[in-house]
Amino acid sequence: ETGVTQTPRHLVMGMTNKKSLKCEQHLGHNAMYWYKQSAKKPLELMFVYNFKEQTENNSVPSRFSPECPNSSHLFLHLHTLQPEDSALYLCASSQDSQGARYEQYFGPGTRLTVT
Amino acid sequence: AQSVTQPDIHITVSEGASLELRCNYSYGATPYLFWYVQSPGQGLQLLLKYFSGDTLVQGIKGFEAEFKRSQSSFNLRKPSVHWSDAAEYFCAVGAGAGGTSYGKLTFGQGTILTVHP
Repeated sequence: ETGVTQTPRHLVMGMTNKKSLKCEQHLGHNAMYWYKQSAKKPLELMFVYNFKEQTENNSVPSRFSPECPNSSHLFLHLHTLQPEDSALYLCASSQDSQGARYEQYFGPGTRLTVT
Repeated sequence: AQSVTQPDIHITVSEGASLELRCNYSYGATPYLFWYVQSPGQGLQLLLKYFSGDTLVQGIKGFEAEFKRSQSSFNLRKPSVHWSDAAEYFCAVGAGAGGTSYGKLTFGQGTILTVHP
């Protein structure tokens, strides 16, 4: 595997389910990011991790819970979601998250549908 | 706070024609600027970036962009468009040197490019 991978690519879940999204980067980077991409809206940054420590939580509802066990893996745990949470969830990584000097590399995303 | 505006939601060009996608940013200091491309069902791929130095930057796939501080713009150009360039294009701005935004990129709403044969 190369670059940034995300699983699953598609997920359909009910509002009462609990599921997790997984992201893995094979680039030796130290920073990882979760973004939400909804139709007709700009890409929204959700969380930033730098060296496994969370450095940004962009006022994300608590039904989204991130986990970063090491610099290569990032999870997004989902529970009691709402239909408006349906979106493409993108993971990205960069060498470091200080300033924005280091470009971010994106995974293919997980298309989430909440029914 | 930083912001990005891409004035054109949708652009249609003929194959072989030239292309310019507009991007205007707002940021109080020297920004870091990026253009990304997203094909359907895919993540974002970096086309090019500007950090400092030469204001005309070259990227992959024959794209270039010019940073114009006086106009707060970073427009993307390509002299001859190929059908495979059809995709959505995103401009992004990040905190430059001395910024404390911890890698926060702000993205524009995107421009969808359609290429006619």
